[in-house]
Amino acid sequence: QTVVTQEPSLTVSPGGTVTLTCASSTGAVTSGFYSIWFQQKPGQAPRALIHNTSKKHSWTPARFSGSLLGGKAALTLSGVQPEDEADYYCLIYYGGVWVFGGGTKLTVL
Amino acid sequence: QVQLVQSGTEVKEPGASVTVSCKTSGYTFTANILHWVRQAPGQGLEWMAYINPNNGGTKYAQKFQGRVTLTRDTSISAVYMELSRLRSDDTAVYYCATEYGNLGYWGQGTLVIVSS
Repeated sequence: QTVVTQEPSLTVSPGGTVTLTCASSTGAVTSGFYSIWFQQKPGQAPRALIHNTSKKHSWTPARFSGSLLGGKAALTLSGVQPEDEADYYCLIYYGGVWVFGGGTKLTVL
Repeated sequence: QVQLVQSGTEVKEPGASVTVSCKTSGYTFTANILHWVRQAPGQGLEWMAYINPNNGGTKYAQKFQGRVTLTRDTSISAVYMELSRLRSDDTAVYYCATEYGNLGYWGQGTLVIVSS
């Protein structure tokens, strides 16, 4: 049973920078895992922010970026805004099946 | 524009089955895999399965093998997710999402409540 692990919660000040990570129980996350990042606000469907590790959707604010960091997928928010307070989920592809991380609750305070 | 419209709230008794539909428009239905994801109240997202609308091929998460069945109707660009032998912990919002646009387009979600 593959497990994808994210920080349960993080707090960041407005204007600050924060990095969320996504680790795989199978080992290092590489570009071949096609990691995807979603933002979800209460009562809403998830919204995709990043796909294929680092590619942005047309609606993704410039302050969001995806990368690989120390064997993990990473989502970095630079210049955090109050509206970035939300749950963030990574999704990893394991050759036919997909697995979500447990999610990170980001608080902007 | 791309739209995924799901069927409405369902209330079912334990042991019953439920079918949720996802009707798509605005893109080539048969060219893009469609996924199902669920979210129990206050919990995280859980990937369930996907279907290739072109050939009907499916892949299910191990947890749902034998209980979930995905089918499609290419004439109306719709996918159906049937979940059988329902339990109380199947109470969740069920979403469909298309790989068109790299999972950028999701249905609005369907609440399934399992209660006696």
